[in-house]
Amino acid sequence: EVQLVESGGGLVQPGGSLRLSCAASGFTVSSNYMSWVRQAPGKGLEWVSVIYSGGSTYYADSVKGRFTISRHNSKNTLYLQMNSLRAEDTAVYYCARGQWWGQGTLVTVSS
Amino acid sequence: DIVMTQTPLSLSVTPGQPASISCKSSQSLLHSDGKTYLYWYLQKPGQSPQLLIYEVSNRFSGVPDRFSGSGSGTDFTLKISRVEAEDVGVYYCMQSIQLTWTFGQGTKVEIK
Repeated sequence: EVQLVESGGGLVQPGGSLRLSCAASGFTVSSNYMSWVRQAPGKGLEWVSVIYSGGSTYYADSVKGRFTISRHNSKNTLYLQMNSLRAEDTAVYYCARGQWWGQGTLVTVSS
Repeated sequence: DIVMTQTPLSLSVTPGQPASISCKSSQSLLHSDGKTYLYWYLQKPGQSPQLLIYEVSNRFSGVPDRFSGSGSGTDFTLKISRVEAEDVGVYYCMQSIQLTWTFGQGTKVEIK
């Protein structure tokens, strides 16, 4: 059975950092693309970042230069390193690949 | 970035009646590989999004055949032939032809 389990969310002050993890089972994260999508409270879905099997990474303009997507192949885990966090980064963060989505982890940026 | 525009933003449908959602992209989603990178997702209340349609018109495994997708280039449509109570939620179109992906604003479907 395929499963994606995000972790690492929480409350962080503006300007702070957080690293999200997404542990995958039932498939290999490095075999195709993996993405992060976020959803601010009461808002729609916003694509954040993608990493392809070859290692290429891409980001939404809203997070470019502040967020870094990566993966650990042997741990079969996807990461999102988030630096210089802002209030507008407050959202539920999902890891996803096509039909497979995690349950999301909430990041709250507030003083 | 490609802008995805969905209409309407909300829809109230009587059970058993059809529903249709439009999604227009600011650029063509037809890739040189012949595929069109347009997807439809449904986010039911309190749940993670689920894939309904991939590459314009292909229903994902297990998706009821009352859901259908159509369109080409920049204009796309998701149709539900007979809406059921379990279809409530927010529907999103998404493009992945560019290196940066984008979602539509979402269309909230409720039952009358």
